[in-house]
Amino acid sequence: QSVLTQPPSVSGAPGQRVTISCTGSDSNIVAAYDVHWYQQFPGTAPKLLIYGNNNRPSGVPDRFSGSKSGTSASLAITGLQPEDEADYYCQSYGNSLSAHVVFGGGTKLTVL
Amino acid sequence: QVQLVQSGAEVKKPGASVKVSCKASGYTFTSYHIYWVRQATGQGLEWVGWMNPDSGYTASAQNFQGRLTMTRSTSMGTAYMELSSLRSEDTAVYYCARSFDYGDYSYFDPWGQGTLVTVSS
Repeated sequence: QSVLTQPPSVSGAPGQRVTISCTGSDSNIVAAYDVHWYQQFPGTAPKLLIYGNNNRPSGVPDRFSGSKSGTSASLAITGLQPEDEADYYCQSYGNSLSAHVVFGGGTKLTVL
Repeated sequence: QVQLVQSGAEVKKPGASVKVSCKASGYTFTSYHIYWVRQATGQGLEWVGWMNPDSGYTASAQNFQGRLTMTRSTSMGTAYMELSSLRSEDTAVYYCARSFDYGDYSYFDPWGQGTLVTVSS
């Protein structure tokens, strides 16, 4: 069971806005630590999408944005496009030597 | 461009060991930590361990302590991950990734292409 909880799936039509949430099992994790997001297409490696809660690496479209409020972080995708269909993972600090890095269980985004 | 290239797929029997390599290019190898993350088929991402290529210091996730060895060759710009006493549950794609560290935080960019390790009798 992941320390960070994400919905297994979300969907939206082209052009719509969708959000993916990421909540810590310990409510303090997300509240206290930075959250990062990755995008993964089938059969390929994850790609950094958002770092430090709301920062986009160079080359990531501004349709992707991250935010954090209280004990939950969110990834928002506006103007949904068919090529956004992928798995999305959140990641944060595990706050222990045995779990230095923790990931969410992943969310499958389907573009209808 | 910054790139991590991993070694090819491996098939191992239970109880054996596997060694995966991760060759870095496009940046100074010793300036960034290398993390290892695995993903079983259809499953999420699981942190395995990390290494400081400059000092050679390593740390493993609790699930892998005693079975995981991480090494590097600074002259070749290559990191290695060796997992021993393999069991079927270790079947997964293993990724290396360069980490950006600030304070207690790390995020990963880029990732290697992944190495499929299959453990089967």
